[in-house]
Amino acid sequence: AQTVTQSQPEMSVQEAETVTLSCTYDTSESDYYLFWYKQPPSRQMILVIRQEAYKQQNATENRFSVNFQKAAKSFSLKISDSQLGDAAMYFCGLNRDDKIIFGKGTRLHILP
Amino acid sequence: DVKVTQSSRYLVKRTGEKVFLECVQDMDHENMFWYRQDPGLGLRLIYFSYDVKMKEKGDIPEGYSVSREKKERFSLILESASTNQTSMYLCASRVWANYGYTFGSGTRLTVV
Repeated sequence: AQTVTQSQPEMSVQEAETVTLSCTYDTSESDYYLFWYKQPPSRQMILVIRQEAYKQQNATENRFSVNFQKAAKSFSLKISDSQLGDAAMYFCGLNRDDKIIFGKGTRLHILP
Repeated sequence: DVKVTQSSRYLVKRTGEKVFLECVQDMDHENMFWYRQDPGLGLRLIYFSYDVKMKEKGDIPEGYSVSREKKERFSLILESASTNQTSMYLCASRVWANYGYTFGSGTRLTVV
């Protein structure tokens, strides 16, 4: 069985600060892909970042970066210089067998 | 810009009605997916399709069916709507297995 766990249902961060969202997963495979998606109040799910498991280097997209610890099966998302527009639900996803399994999500609040 | 379009943003239906949720993508993607999103439960996969006329059950297919007669269109059918099918329904597509999804903007269905 494969699972994706996001242990923080909600988090808050002060504007311009850095926040890290946690995600752990379980898989018996050695080759897989991991994703972080953002869902703002508009409901449109947006791909934030993608990580290939066989790549050692952590993926980065502007202010968004991941800390990928393959042995620990951990895939956390770091948002630097938080902005009001970062307020959203964030979903971690694990791809296997041609479909993505998602965690339950973390709601991120940005405090002005 | 590539697009996944869900025909209705909000929908209210009566118990027992047959309900069609339509999803169209303009990217010539092979794979299409239907998820439902509920608070505290995240996104759960209902059905998916690898190609025209192909369909696979996801984690929660009971009470649903799908149709994919053309590559660009993937319909979710609630054969006899019930109140426990009140939810947000998200359609997604992607070109091949290891890419992230492109999502539609969701249909919020209320069954009364």
